Order: sequence, then structure tokens, then C-alpha cells
Amino acid sequence: ILNVEQSPQSLHVQEGDSTNFTCSFPSSNFYALHWYRWETAKSPEALFVMTLNGDEKKKGRISATLNTKEGYSYLYIKGSQPEDSATYLCAFMNGAGGTSYGKLTFGQGTILTVHP
Amino acid sequence: SAVISQKPSRDICQRGTSLTIQCQVDSQVTMMFWYRQQPGQSLTLIATANQGSEATYESGFVIDKFPISRPNLTFSTLTVSNMSPEDSSIYLCSVAGPGGYTFGSGTRLTVV
Repeated sequence: ILNVEQSPQSLHVQEGDSTNFTCSFPSSNFYALHWYRWETAKSPEALFVMTLNGDEKKKGRISATLNTKEGYSYLYIKGSQPEDSATYLCAFMNGAGGTSYGKLTFGQGTILTVHP
Repeated sequence: SAVISQKPSRDICQRGTSLTIQCQVDSQVTMMFWYRQQPGQSLTLIATANQGSEATYESGFVIDKFPISRPNLTFSTLTVSNMSPEDSSIYLCSVAGPGGYTFGSGTRLTVV
């Protein structure tokens, strides 16, 4: 059973604060690490797909880094806004052969609430 | 990326009954994935649905409980059979894409 852990479980910040969350995953059989944002009553939305150790990706005020050797990824939000309130999910994509290949294992998510 | 229409968006069902969830994709895709999120838990893969063959189920999920149909490359259904309160979850279908997976809007199921 693959272990994908996210911390913290929930986070309350004030508008304008910068924040970050952590995703830890197995350092073996790595293929890719996904980040998703899931707003209530909507579909999960893909933010980043990261594949290379040392990768840094950015989309507006949101950025992510990847360390495959130690098995962690950080998601950063700069200047949080109320519309950033959502659950942020990371998912580990397995590179092992056989029936495990390509499957996503999700963390439990970090629930972010940004207060005006 | 693909657009997925999923329905119903929510339902409240009596225990012992069955519910069929539908997903329609706006383009042809080889594999569709069905996920479940129980309260307080991670999104968990139920099965992978390929057109023209039987679905592949993950450990802990069986065809009798979660039968899946995949009649063509744009459509799939998941049935939750003989429901119990433990089946109360959000059910999501998804397809893979180069920028990550695209998900349906989810079916929020409550079993009473």
C-alpha cells in the first residue's frame, strides 16, 4: 500500500498571507506527482504535473517544487485570496510495472480557508 | 482538455437499493477511472474502465458491488449495488490528460 501524506490537514489564513503545504510520497518507483485544487461542489482541477527532481512550476500566485529523492513536494500560495479557499490534493503516479503502472494514489488533502 | 458531464450530482437512497452514475466525455478516451471519497478519507480508485473489455478493479472492490459498463469510447456507468450507509461517499469519474486528470463534477451519495 502506497503512503501519500499531506500536511497540514487544514489551514486558516488571512487574506494576503502566503502559505504552503507539504506532500510526502514514496521515493521509489516515482513517475509523476500531481497537484489538484478541489472547490466545494466542483470538479477537482489539475494545477501541476511534476516529473523531474528539482522541478519548479508556477501558475499565477501558486507554485510547486519537487524532490523525488527524498519524496516530498511543496505547494506555495503567495498573497492568498478568499477564492483560493479549497481542498488541495496531491497524487503520486506509480512508475512500477504491471498493474500498478500509471495509477494515482491521492493524499487526504489540505483544506485551505482564506478569511477576508 | 476533455470535458466530462457526470450525473446525478447528488442523491439520497434507501439501503438495499442501487444507483447508477453516468459519465459522458466530449472526446474519445481509452481509459476511464472511477474514484470514491468516503468522509474524511482520500480519493480512492475503484476501477479502470476500458472500452470493449471488463473493468479492472482495485483491491477491496468487486464487480458484484460496483458493476461498470463502458459501451463506447465516450461513456461509462458505475452502479453502486445493494447500498449500505458505508457507501455514502462522493463518486467521481476521470480521464487522463497531458496536464493531469480531468474529473467529472462528482456524485454525492447519501445512503439512509
